Amino acid sequence: GAVVSQHPSRVICKSGTSVKIECRSLDFQATTMFWYRQFPKQSLMLMATSNEGSKATYEQGVEKDKFLINHASLTLSTLTVTSAHPEDSSFYICSARESGLMNTEAFFGQGTRLTVV
Amino acid sequence: AQSVTQLDSQVPVFEEAPVELRCNYSSSVSVYLFWYVQYPNQGLQLLLKYLSGSTLVKGINGFEAEFNKSQTSFHLRKPSVHISDTAEYFCAVTYSGAGSYQLTFGKGTKLSVIP
Repeated sequence: GAVVSQHPSRVICKSGTSVKIECRSLDFQATTMFWYRQFPKQSLMLMATSNEGSKATYEQGVEKDKFLINHASLTLSTLTVTSAHPEDSSFYICSARESGLMNTEAFFGQGTRLTVV
Repeated sequence: AQSVTQLDSQVPVFEEAPVELRCNYSSSVSVYLFWYVQYPNQGLQLLLKYLSGSTLVKGINGFEAEFNKSQTSFHLRKPSVHISDTAEYFCAVTYSGAGSYQLTFGKGTKLSVIP
């Protein structure tokens, strides 16, 4: 199956700094990428949907100025957590869908554990 | 809007016993249904999916699921579980007419296989 690589897998940062998480589709072109946040022992909460070359669509309640998403190419999307605070600590997961109408499956990265101290 | 309900948050089962993880969805339109597995500190791996056709879907690792439109269910089953099946399982749905195939997830079911 298709591979989505997410980097870094773990990051610890100081409060007030910014952190960038990368999501790459390694062997396919991804028109659409999704960013999720997962709290401990809970489900995935969709944060935003990004389409290559256009602005991301954020879900209600997600601060677009805090969680900056860039989908500059068909194989790379980035999520930048700006001015991070301890409450931003969470597990962030990206997924990517291959271009094409019949490609219904989304492939997931391995996730990034963010800890803000 | 669609939603997904996973009725059991935790399911303990003895090794080699059968297991069923329940999933119900609500949607007023045609949907695609998925089951994913998540191991600790990892992303999600697709187990199986229902798009159309046969209502019984077979996936990886010996899992299968049956789509029941009248009961709006998509329960996951395995006839004999292994220790390695211990993980979190998520049911997900997407609207078949949605261009982006945005997924809505259930809250997950933690399967614990007891030796």
